[in-house]
Amino acid sequence: LAKTTQPISMDSYEGQEVNITCSHNNIATNDYITWYQQFPSQGPRFIIQGYKTKVTNEVASLFIPADRKSSTLSLPRVSLSDTAVYYCLVGDDRGGFKTIFGAGTRLFVKA
Amino acid sequence: EPEVTQTPSHQVTQMGQEVILRCVPISNHLYFYWYRQILGQKVEFLVSFYNNEISEKSEIFDDQFSVERPDGSNFTLKIRSTKLEDSAMYFCASSASGRIYNEQFFGPGTRLTVL
Repeated sequence: LAKTTQPISMDSYEGQEVNITCSHNNIATNDYITWYQQFPSQGPRFIIQGYKTKVTNEVASLFIPADRKSSTLSLPRVSLSDTAVYYCLVGDDRGGFKTIFGAGTRLFVKA
Repeated sequence: EPEVTQTPSHQVTQMGQEVILRCVPISNHLYFYWYRQILGQKVEFLVSFYNNEISEKSEIFDDQFSVERPDGSNFTLKIRSTKLEDSAMYFCASSASGRIYNEQFFGPGTRLTVL
């Protein structure tokens, strides 16, 4: 499983765009990149997933450069309720069932 | 929207006692997982389960732990003789596919307190 590195924490203000970058230098050819969000005292929640270029859904965008050694989760116009921990996971396409969460990035959105 | 449910929401037990944490995964899912999260720390993988057997387990999942799917809907985690360090939030998850990039749906968790 590819190791991931994220900033430990980030601060932002309401209405700003937040970009959280994850490094995964050892990503394998068939690996996908998945982001989860976790609010305090809740289980993680899937946000977005991608393989290359850009993916957008109603919650976020995911930018993946051509070399795929990093990815950036972009949250447009954050609100206080986006305060959470964000985890970047890199998949193993061999059908691995072992999901490893890193330390994640603790995003704190201020008013 | 279908969801994973867990019971109880909070379990308090004495050290050395056995506890069973229960989960009802999403009905058409085939892959089931248990994770734990000690307060303030990251989510840790314990075990995955498919086709009525353990697929993978972490080094945390020692002989004190076991999992079972006793019927078509429940998925349980048993800790035989609890220790103080087992105090944590335990999350159950399920997914339709075992591919790591397939979305896992997490339950609300059971907070286990070992006294």
